[in-house]
Amino acid sequence: GAVVSQHPSWVICKSGTSVKIECRSLDFQATTMFWYRQFPKQSLMLMATSNEGSKATYEQGVEKDKFLINHASLTLSTLTVTSAHPEDSSFYICSARGGVTGLSYEQYFGPGTRLTVT
Amino acid sequence: RKEVEQDPGPFNVPEGATVAFNCTYSNSASQSFFWYRQDCRKEPKLLMSVYSSGNEDGRFTAQLNRASQYISLLIRDSKLSDSATYLCVVNMYTGNQFYFGTGTSLTVIP
Repeated sequence: GAVVSQHPSWVICKSGTSVKIECRSLDFQATTMFWYRQFPKQSLMLMATSNEGSKATYEQGVEKDKFLINHASLTLSTLTVTSAHPEDSSFYICSARGGVTGLSYEQYFGPGTRLTVT
Repeated sequence: RKEVEQDPGPFNVPEGATVAFNCTYSNSASQSFFWYRQDCRKEPKLLMSVYSSGNEDGRFTAQLNRASQYISLLIRDSKLSDSATYLCVVNMYTGNQFYFGTGTSLTVIP
Protein backbone atom coordinates (compact mmCIF):
# COMPACT_ATOMS: atom_id res chain seq x y z
CA GLY A 1 0.00 0.00 0.00
CA ALA A 2 0.83 3.72 0.10
CA VAL A 3 1.77 4.12 -3.53
CA VAL A 4 2.26 7.53 -5.08
CA SER A 5 2.65 8.02 -8.81
CA GLN A 6 3.91 10.96 -10.81
CA HIS A 7 3.49 11.79 -14.44
CA PRO A 8 5.44 12.44 -16.54
CA SER A 9 8.62 10.84 -15.28
CA TRP A 10 10.79 12.82 -17.69
CA VAL A 11 10.05 15.91 -19.70
CA ILE A 12 12.11 18.13 -21.96
CA CYS A 13 10.64 21.46 -22.95
CA LYS A 14 11.68 24.68 -24.56
CA SER A 15 12.27 27.82 -22.60
CA GLY A 16 9.09 29.83 -22.12
CA THR A 17 6.69 26.92 -22.18
CA SER A 18 4.68 25.58 -19.26
CA VAL A 19 4.87 22.08 -17.88
CA LYS A 20 2.30 20.31 -15.74
CA ILE A 21 3.28 17.51 -13.39
CA GLU A 22 0.69 15.25 -11.82
CA CYS A 23 0.97 13.53 -8.47
CA ARG A 24 -1.51 10.84 -7.50
CA SER A 25 -1.97 8.76 -4.40
CA LEU A 26 -3.11 5.43 -5.78
CA ASP A 27 -4.34 3.50 -2.80
CA PHE A 28 -5.02 6.06 -0.12
CA GLN A 29 -6.51 9.50 0.26
CA ALA A 30 -4.05 12.27 0.85
CA THR A 31 -5.39 15.47 2.30
CA THR A 32 -1.87 16.86 2.21
CA MET A 33 0.71 16.58 -0.52
CA PHE A 34 4.12 18.13 -0.69
CA TRP A 35 6.18 19.30 -3.64
CA TYR A 36 9.96 19.17 -3.52
CA ARG A 37 12.77 20.06 -5.85
CA GLN A 38 16.19 18.49 -5.84
CA PHE A 39 19.23 19.69 -7.72
CA PRO A 40 22.11 17.29 -8.42
CA LYS A 41 23.98 16.25 -5.31
CA GLN A 42 21.83 18.47 -3.12
CA SER A 43 19.18 17.65 -0.57
CA LEU A 44 15.46 17.83 -1.09
CA MET A 45 14.05 21.33 -0.91
CA LEU A 46 10.43 21.75 0.05
CA MET A 47 8.67 24.06 -2.37
CA ALA A 48 5.12 24.00 -1.10
CA THR A 49 2.56 22.16 0.95
CA SER A 50 -0.69 21.42 -0.81
CA ASN A 51 -3.94 20.82 1.03
CA GLU A 52 -6.98 19.45 -0.73
CA GLY A 53 -9.49 22.16 -1.50
CA SER A 54 -7.38 25.07 -0.33
CA LYS A 55 -4.51 27.21 -1.49
CA ALA A 56 -1.02 25.83 -1.27
CA THR A 57 1.45 27.14 1.27
CA TYR A 58 4.70 28.10 -0.39
CA GLU A 59 8.12 28.11 1.19
CA GLN A 60 10.07 31.32 1.34
CA GLY A 61 11.69 32.14 -1.97
CA VAL A 62 9.35 30.01 -4.07
CA GLU A 63 7.31 32.06 -6.52
CA LYS A 64 3.68 31.03 -6.28
CA ASP A 65 2.85 32.61 -9.63
CA LYS A 66 5.53 30.58 -11.32
CA PHE A 67 4.85 27.26 -9.62
CA LEU A 68 1.10 26.81 -9.69
CA ILE A 69 -0.25 24.09 -7.45
CA ASN A 70 -3.73 22.66 -7.58
CA HIS A 71 -5.01 19.99 -5.21
CA ALA A 72 -8.49 19.40 -6.51
CA SER A 73 -9.12 15.99 -5.04
CA LEU A 74 -7.91 13.74 -2.27
CA THR A 75 -5.83 11.74 -4.72
CA LEU A 76 -4.47 14.31 -7.14
CA SER A 77 -2.24 17.34 -6.91
CA THR A 78 -0.67 19.10 -9.87
CA LEU A 79 2.34 21.38 -10.15
CA THR A 80 2.57 23.62 -13.20
CA VAL A 81 5.89 25.26 -13.93
CA THR A 82 4.92 28.32 -15.93
CA SER A 83 7.23 29.97 -18.44
CA ALA A 84 9.97 27.50 -17.65
CA HIS A 85 13.60 28.54 -17.97
CA PRO A 86 16.78 26.49 -17.96
CA GLU A 87 17.37 27.26 -14.28
CA ASP A 88 14.10 25.46 -13.52
CA SER A 89 15.64 22.23 -14.74
CA SER A 90 15.57 19.93 -11.75
CA PHE A 91 14.14 16.76 -10.24
CA TYR A 92 10.64 17.48 -8.94
CA ILE A 93 9.28 15.05 -6.39
CA CYS A 94 5.90 14.98 -4.77
CA SER A 95 4.91 13.19 -1.62
CA ALA A 96 1.66 12.42 0.09
CA ARG A 97 1.18 12.28 3.79
CA GLY A 98 -0.17 8.98 4.94
CA GLY A 99 -2.68 8.35 7.65
CA VAL A 100 -1.87 8.79 11.24
CA THR A 101 -0.21 5.78 12.81
CA GLY A 102 -0.26 6.56 16.44
CA LEU A 103 1.30 9.99 16.37
CA SER A 104 3.26 9.32 13.22
CA TYR A 105 2.82 11.03 9.89
CA GLU A 106 4.63 9.10 7.22
CA GLN A 107 5.34 10.56 3.82
CA TYR A 108 5.31 8.49 0.69
CA PHE A 109 7.13 9.85 -2.31
CA GLY A 110 6.34 9.70 -5.97
CA PRO A 111 9.06 8.52 -8.36
CA GLY A 112 9.87 12.07 -9.36
CA THR A 113 9.79 14.03 -12.59
CA ARG A 114 13.01 15.05 -14.23
CA LEU A 115 12.50 18.37 -16.00
CA THR A 116 14.99 19.67 -18.53
CA VAL A 117 14.39 23.09 -20.03
CA THR A 118 16.37 23.85 -23.15
CA ARG B 1 20.88 26.50 13.27
CA LYS B 2 19.40 23.87 10.98
CA GLU B 3 16.35 21.98 12.16
CA VAL B 4 17.95 18.65 11.32
CA GLU B 5 21.64 17.94 10.95
CA GLN B 6 23.39 14.89 9.62
CA ASP B 7 26.97 14.02 8.90
CA PRO B 8 27.03 13.97 5.08
CA GLY B 9 29.79 11.38 5.01
CA PRO B 10 30.66 9.71 2.76
CA PHE B 11 30.86 6.49 4.69
CA ASN B 12 32.76 3.80 2.81
CA VAL B 13 32.54 0.45 4.54
CA PRO B 14 33.37 -3.13 3.54
CA GLU B 15 30.67 -5.70 3.04
CA GLY B 16 29.61 -7.26 6.30
CA ALA B 17 30.56 -4.26 8.39
CA THR B 18 28.33 -2.52 10.87
CA VAL B 19 27.77 1.17 10.33
CA ALA B 20 25.87 3.76 12.35
CA PHE B 21 24.50 7.14 11.41
CA ASN B 22 23.37 9.85 13.77
CA CYS B 23 21.07 12.74 13.20
CA THR B 24 20.36 15.61 15.57
CA TYR B 25 17.30 17.82 15.66
CA SER B 26 16.96 21.22 17.21
CA ASN B 27 13.31 21.46 18.21
CA SER B 28 12.30 19.55 21.30
CA ALA B 29 8.66 19.69 20.15
CA SER B 30 9.47 17.33 17.29
CA GLN B 31 7.06 14.46 17.33
CA SER B 32 7.80 11.88 14.66
CA PHE B 33 11.05 10.64 13.24
CA PHE B 34 11.91 8.68 10.15
CA TRP B 35 14.77 7.29 8.16
CA TYR B 36 14.44 7.35 4.39
CA ARG B 37 16.73 5.86 1.82
CA GLN B 38 17.40 7.59 -1.49
CA ASP B 39 19.20 5.97 -4.37
CA CYS B 40 20.90 8.08 -7.00
CA ARG B 41 18.37 9.85 -9.24
CA LYS B 42 15.46 8.19 -7.46
CA GLU B 43 12.86 9.29 -4.96
CA PRO B 44 13.29 8.76 -1.20
CA LYS B 45 11.75 5.57 0.12
CA LEU B 46 10.66 5.12 3.70
CA LEU B 47 13.08 2.81 5.46
CA MET B 48 11.61 2.92 8.91
CA SER B 49 9.83 5.11 11.39
CA VAL B 50 11.64 5.64 14.67
CA TYR B 51 9.71 4.96 17.84
CA SER B 52 10.53 6.05 21.34
CA SER B 53 11.28 2.52 22.42
CA GLY B 54 13.55 1.94 19.45
CA ASN B 55 12.74 -0.48 16.71
CA GLU B 56 14.41 -3.08 14.61
CA ASP B 57 13.72 -4.37 11.13
CA GLY B 58 16.05 -7.13 10.10
CA ARG B 59 19.56 -5.70 9.87
CA PHE B 60 18.37 -2.17 10.60
CA THR B 61 17.92 -0.74 14.08
CA ALA B 62 16.67 2.76 14.81
CA GLN B 63 16.95 4.52 18.14
CA LEU B 64 15.56 7.77 19.46
CA ASN B 65 17.11 9.76 22.28
CA ARG B 66 14.76 12.61 23.16
CA ALA B 67 16.92 13.92 25.99
CA SER B 68 19.85 14.49 23.66
CA GLN B 69 17.64 15.13 20.63
CA TYR B 70 19.14 12.67 18.24
CA ILE B 71 18.13 9.61 16.32
CA SER B 72 20.37 6.89 15.04
CA LEU B 73 20.33 4.20 12.41
CA LEU B 74 22.44 1.09 12.74
CA ILE B 75 23.01 -1.21 9.80
CA ARG B 76 24.49 -4.61 10.55
CA ASP B 77 26.10 -6.99 8.07
CA SER B 78 26.20 -4.34 5.33
CA LYS B 79 25.30 -5.45 1.82
CA LEU B 80 26.36 -3.89 -1.45
CA SER B 81 22.70 -3.04 -2.02
CA ASP B 82 22.72 -0.86 1.10
CA SER B 83 24.75 1.75 -0.80
CA ALA B 84 22.56 4.84 -0.91
CA THR B 85 21.94 8.15 0.79
CA TYR B 86 20.13 7.92 4.10
CA LEU B 87 17.88 10.82 5.01
CA CYS B 88 16.81 11.70 8.51
CA VAL B 89 13.34 13.27 8.63
CA VAL B 90 11.68 14.95 11.58
CA ASN B 91 8.03 15.90 11.81
CA MET B 92 6.71 18.70 13.96
CA TYR B 93 3.64 18.32 16.10
CA THR B 94 1.40 20.05 13.56
CA GLY B 95 1.81 17.11 11.22
CA ASN B 96 2.56 19.10 8.10
CA GLN B 97 6.02 20.33 8.95
CA PHE B 98 8.70 17.89 7.87
CA TYR B 99 12.35 18.70 8.11
CA PHE B 100 14.92 16.77 6.13
CA GLY B 101 18.55 16.28 6.90
CA THR B 102 20.95 16.69 4.00
CA GLY B 103 21.53 12.95 3.94
CA THR B 104 24.42 10.64 4.73
CA SER B 105 26.06 8.88 1.83
CA LEU B 106 26.93 5.21 2.32
CA THR B 107 28.98 3.11 -0.05
CA VAL B 108 29.45 -0.56 0.75
CA ILE B 109 32.60 -1.90 -0.85
CA PRO B 110 33.04 -5.53 -1.95
